[in-house]
Amino acid sequence: DSGVTQTPKHLITATGQRVTLRCSPRSGDLSVYWYQQSLDQGLQFLIQYYNGEERAKGNILERFSAQQFPDLHSELNLSSLELGDSALYFCASSVDSQGTEAFFGQGTRLTVV
Amino acid sequence: GENVEQHPSTLSVQEGDSAVIKCTYSDSASNYFPWYKQELGKRPQLIIDIRSNVGEKKDQRIAVTLNKTAKHFSLHITETQPEDSAVYFCAAVTGGGADGLTFGKGTHLIIQP
Repeated sequence: DSGVTQTPKHLITATGQRVTLRCSPRSGDLSVYWYQQSLDQGLQFLIQYYNGEERAKGNILERFSAQQFPDLHSELNLSSLELGDSALYFCASSVDSQGTEAFFGQGTRLTVV
Repeated sequence: GENVEQHPSTLSVQEGDSAVIKCTYSDSASNYFPWYKQELGKRPQLIIDIRSNVGEKKDQRIAVTLNKTAKHFSLHITETQPEDSAVYFCAAVTGGGADGLTFGKGTHLIIQP
């Protein structure tokens, strides 16, 4: 158990559809980060939330959105899905807004067909 | 925002030799530099980190050095072992976390028997 829980682990959906990925941070962590990792690619930063508010924004497409709820869990919404959105989506959490000892979840593998 | 460059993209060393991976960052306000190891199909795991008020940090066979003037930091692995084979990512955080946790593109370390 990594302490950061991501659901679902795998997701297969068709182009044009919308999906929601969920992340529960480690107990006590206030920051949640979302990353996209395509095949043989690095970790592309999408967005960060800290204590319920958006803290930083990376290369997140307009078709994607996210939020962090009062209980600190976060959801990443991906809409109008395209084949190129197929990737591993990681969530990480840290106690502060600076990513100190950020801990990654196991990821959600999204396949768009 | 912060930009992190990482070299080399692939590094092959003989078992028992040392490996060095280098990263440069763009924002002089960055003050936290973690390194992550990602094995195939698994989540990135923090292996060592360093703050800007420290020049070097060691943990058994792993060490990280930081040169704030030149804005670069390096990961050193000594006495490499087969289990060190993985992709290694460096990252940097700007003070206050305003730009999130920005990663380099990764180095695929291959340990030759």
